[in-house]
Amino acid sequence: GQNIDQPTEMTATEGAIVQINCTYQTSGFNGLFWYQQHAGEAPTFLSYNVLDGLEEKGRFSSFLSRSKGYSYLLLKELQMKDSASYLCAVLEYGNKLVFGAGTILRVKS
Amino acid sequence: GAVVSQHPSRVICKSGTSVKIECRSLDFQATTMFWYRQFPKQSLMLMATSNEGSKATYEQGVEKDKFLINHASLTLSTLTVTSAHPEDSSFYICSARDDRGRNYGYTFGSGTRLTVV
Repeated sequence: GQNIDQPTEMTATEGAIVQINCTYQTSGFNGLFWYQQHAGEAPTFLSYNVLDGLEEKGRFSSFLSRSKGYSYLLLKELQMKDSASYLCAVLEYGNKLVFGAGTILRVKS
Repeated sequence: GAVVSQHPSRVICKSGTSVKIECRSLDFQATTMFWYRQFPKQSLMLMATSNEGSKATYEQGVEKDKFLINHASLTLSTLTVTSAHPEDSSFYICSARDDRGRNYGYTFGSGTRLTVV
């Protein structure tokens, strides 16, 4: 079976750093994606990890440990516009992208 | 960059009627497209994988006779919700996999809000 877990909600302060964790157990692994989704809109691509380690892209970084089935998304210098849902998704064999339930991040001033 | 157009963005239909949603890759070819459904405050649930020139692969629990998928060309997949009922009201999103692997291969459409009354 497949299981992708992330916290349901998180709250952080503008300017701070927040880490959103994701653990997974899936049928096959071809990489892990993080997406940002605002209410009523389509997800937008943030990052992709297939090898262990940290990928940094501006204010956003993503980490992967394949042996632990674990990833996190790190958001620095939080802005109000970062308030959104953050989706962890695993690419399984057969190119099927399976999503976690998403983490709603609320940034407060 | 890779762009996927999904149409319509919103549709309201009467119970018992059918609704067709189009997903079109504008600047790339997509042998494979995916259809998701998302209920309020929930994540995306994969409904089916659409393959150009062959039958779609449906996820467990998704009725293939109710959700008809056609992928007749490398740039267009359609999802038809047949005999729609209020419980089919949801946000439907497609994604297309770029055959050249750009953007790590997955681009999402803007979604279709379906309301069945």
